[in-house]
Amino acid sequence: EIMLTQSPATLSVSPGERATLSCRASQSVNSDLAWYQQKPGQAPRLVIYDASNRATGIPARFSGSGSGTDFTLTISSLEPEDFAVYYCLQRRDWPLLTFGGGTKVEI
Amino acid sequence: QLQLQESGPGLVKPSGTLSLICSVSNGSVSSSSYFWGWIRQPPGEGLEWIGSSFYSGPAHYNPSLNSRVTISVDPSKNRFSLKLTSVTAADTAVYFCVRRLAGGWLDFWGQGILVTVSS
Repeated sequence: EIMLTQSPATLSVSPGERATLSCRASQSVNSDLAWYQQKPGQAPRLVIYDASNRATGIPARFSGSGSGTDFTLTISSLEPEDFAVYYCLQRRDWPLLTFGGGTKVEI
Repeated sequence: QLQLQESGPGLVKPSGTLSLICSVSNGSVSSSSYFWGWIRQPPGEGLEWIGSSFYSGPAHYNPSLNSRVTISVDPSKNRFSLKLTSVTAADTAVYFCVRRLAGGWLDFWGQGILVTVSS
């Protein structure tokens, strides 16, 4: 089973600053990685898929990079609505899906 | 746009069976492009994939739950369901129904339903 480790667990940043979130896989997932954003009381929303592609409606300040075992989600300039928990998800281990433990981006 | 809505009991007794239904609107569970599945999230914790199924099967499950879980798709009612047997307090969670693209990603989610396991 492929495990995903996210760091840091909590990221404290100010609006307008850059946020960099990390996701590391226990074995290569190629580019089969996605990022989801979850706000309190809401369902997660797809942000990035296939490691670097923005989902429909996601602003350009969100970008994803990486392949193999190391991935990064970058938010170039944080807006107030970006404060949330972010999860990575791998699909390499088809049909199984595995989520990372999440990174909370807080003010 | 597609809408998913979970329904079912919010309270289940220990050792009982958790049963949930996800009703699908503005889309068809019989589509050959999608799988239908469930994700859960214990209070204050992260996300866990439970399983997913094509409308005609087979279903695939998280190995940690495999012996207790069944996901079924009902094209006649345009909905799908989750059954989890022998529940304990550890199964207390918000349960989300989801649509899974053939490529693997989860693109639509229900709002979630909290199910508490308690006597």
